Amino acid sequence: DGGITQSPKYLFRKEGQNVTLSCEQNLNHDAMYWYRQDPGQGLRLIYYSQIVNDFQKGDIAEGYSVSREKKESFPLTVTSAQKNPTAFYLCASSIAYRGGTDTQYFGPGTRLTVL
Amino acid sequence: QKEVEQNSGPLSVPEGAIASLNCTYSDRGSQSFFWYRQYSGKSPELIMSIYSNGDKEDGRFTAQLNKASQYVSLLIRDSQPSDSATYLCAVNGAGKSTFGDGTTLTVKP
Repeated sequence: DGGITQSPKYLFRKEGQNVTLSCEQNLNHDAMYWYRQDPGQGLRLIYYSQIVNDFQKGDIAEGYSVSREKKESFPLTVTSAQKNPTAFYLCASSIAYRGGTDTQYFGPGTRLTVL
Repeated sequence: QKEVEQNSGPLSVPEGAIASLNCTYSDRGSQSFFWYRQYSGKSPELIMSIYSNGDKEDGRFTAQLNKASQYVSLLIRDSQPSDSATYLCAVNGAGKSTFGDGTTLTVKP
């Protein structure tokens, strides 16, 4: 089955730790995205990647980092510089970037909690 | 003013009624519009996409777009308890996708 997988489903972080969230897709999509969702709010864009070895900052990139070494993988690292990381993190992909207009499909999400 | 605004909820309708969800956006250059359904604790799933003015129907769902007035709406006919969820409006353009905060719909049996 084609789709997007995210792991882990739940993640707990101690203050001062860096943690990495995994996102893998087998849809052969060029573009991938990371969003953050806080309770009662919509999605805010952290980073996106149009193609392998390229990525761009979104609206709330501070305290996060990404890499795109393979087409199917787009991991997100939440660094200690992110002061309020507790949130629901969603990875998405689309066939191509096309200025952000393409339909995006979402993975199941990772819920990160800071202890 | 937020870039994408959705009618404040929660919205409650009886089973079998029509639920109407509204979304307005500020960027006149927006090109594509999406409605996602999100169950509590789950990720958004795409319900409808619409790109040109007018209505687009898919089963019990109808999306309506009016670019001159900068609004997009979603009608759910014959609402079912399984439709109870948060509905997110997404507006794409200017190189990015912007989401509203969502409207929570409850369909009462």
